[in-house]
Amino acid sequence: NAGVTQTPKFQVLKTGQSMTLQCAQDMNHNSMYWYRQDPGMGLRLIYYSASEGTTDKGEVPNGYNVSRLNKREFSLRLESAAPSQTSVYFCASSTRQGTYNEQFFGPGTRLTVL
Amino acid sequence: QKEVEQNSGPLSVPEGAIASLNCTYSDRGSQSFFWYRQYSGKSPELIMSIYSNGDKEDGRFTAQLNKASQYVSLLIRDSQPSDSATYLCAVKGLSESNFGNEKLTFGTGTRLTIIP
Repeated sequence: NAGVTQTPKFQVLKTGQSMTLQCAQDMNHNSMYWYRQDPGMGLRLIYYSASEGTTDKGEVPNGYNVSRLNKREFSLRLESAAPSQTSVYFCASSTRQGTYNEQFFGPGTRLTVL
Repeated sequence: QKEVEQNSGPLSVPEGAIASLNCTYSDRGSQSFFWYRQYSGKSPELIMSIYSNGDKEDGRFTAQLNKASQYVSLLIRDSQPSDSATYLCAVKGLSESNFGNEKLTFGTGTRLTIIP
């Protein structure tokens, strides 16, 4: 049981390049999330998927797209990377049980855009 | 106004003492409250969740919730150097920005240092 996995762990891009961050979970969770974490800003939600086939924008969606490929996988795409997207990206998942929403995080992707 | 506020610290506590971490939130309809621990360069790790007023204990950790005061805290007893980390408070609220009430709002975290 690996929990939440993310690839790659590190990435350096040039401005304007594109890339896709991959996330997978093996906990049979319905909901999946993408966050970015910047110094002094805390964790900010980029996109969210409540279930397979649905996605919704979070607090900072501009410049990103997502795909919920199946129940296990949720990818984040940067179409044209900008230096402002330099950050640490975390994927998380949770099971929906009434008021509970314990989210479990992957190890993160450290992205630098030059 | 931030929705979830934490003192950024750093908070320094001697080894063996009690560390007290505090968090306030603005959404009065908030239902679920979580504490995450994040070591430098690592991902957040869930350590406590609390849903009703009062105290919840798990080993050396105690979470305290006071919905009337919109306040949640985390106490760490017998603090160890391995407790040195940033602690994130997260709240599941009922604000308009939520999506099906699944969204968590995170504070910016309190950096805790345990001094041997």
